[in-house]
Amino acid sequence: AQTIHQWPVAEIKAVGSPLSLGCTIKGKSSPNLYWYWQATGGTLQQLFYSITVGQVESVVQLNLSASRPKDDQFILSTEKLLLSHSGFYLCAWSPQGSLSYEQYFGPGTRLTVL
Amino acid sequence: QQQVRQSPQSLTVWEGETAILNCSYENSAFDYFPWYQQFPGEGPALLISILSVSDKKEDGRFTIFFNKREKKLSLHIADSQPGDSATYFCAARGGGGRALIFGTGTTVSVSP
Repeated sequence: AQTIHQWPVAEIKAVGSPLSLGCTIKGKSSPNLYWYWQATGGTLQQLFYSITVGQVESVVQLNLSASRPKDDQFILSTEKLLLSHSGFYLCAWSPQGSLSYEQYFGPGTRLTVL
Repeated sequence: QQQVRQSPQSLTVWEGETAILNCSYENSAFDYFPWYQQFPGEGPALLISILSVSDKKEDGRFTIFFNKREKKLSLHIADSQPGDSATYFCAARGGGGRALIFGTGTTVSVSP
């Protein structure tokens, strides 16, 4: 069975500080990976997707970047946080070869920027 | 521009009733429509989905009705249970297949 793990569970950071969020998928080979952002009480906005190691496509620019250093790992980061970065960050995966089809979400990371 | 719209924003039903959640979209190239269920503080869970070649999809108490001509779909939750209380998101896959576009969600409360 596939498992998706996100870390940390929650973060409280200062404006201007750096950030790194992680996501690991176990039990699935070469999945498509996605990052989403969700404002409190809001909808989900896709930020990035990746179909293979080392390759990341941006969907929406929010002064964030993403990288895929390993087949099962997806990293979201920024060097300088803004207040507007606060929210719920979700990693998702879909089976290889079917971009966006049947996406499965992780438990999320709650980020508060003060 | 909101390409996927949902209504109502919130809905309260009694236990045992059928909850009806509506979704509409603008892009006729959308071909895949999943519904997600999200509880507070958790990631969304894929509940049921439909392809644009079908007009109905059932899975237990959950049914999607799809009208391609009118670009509308609805999720029916039959025999609603208190455990169904959650926010439900309708989503659509873009014509290029590169992004899932989510609606604004409908929060359902089921009263016992």
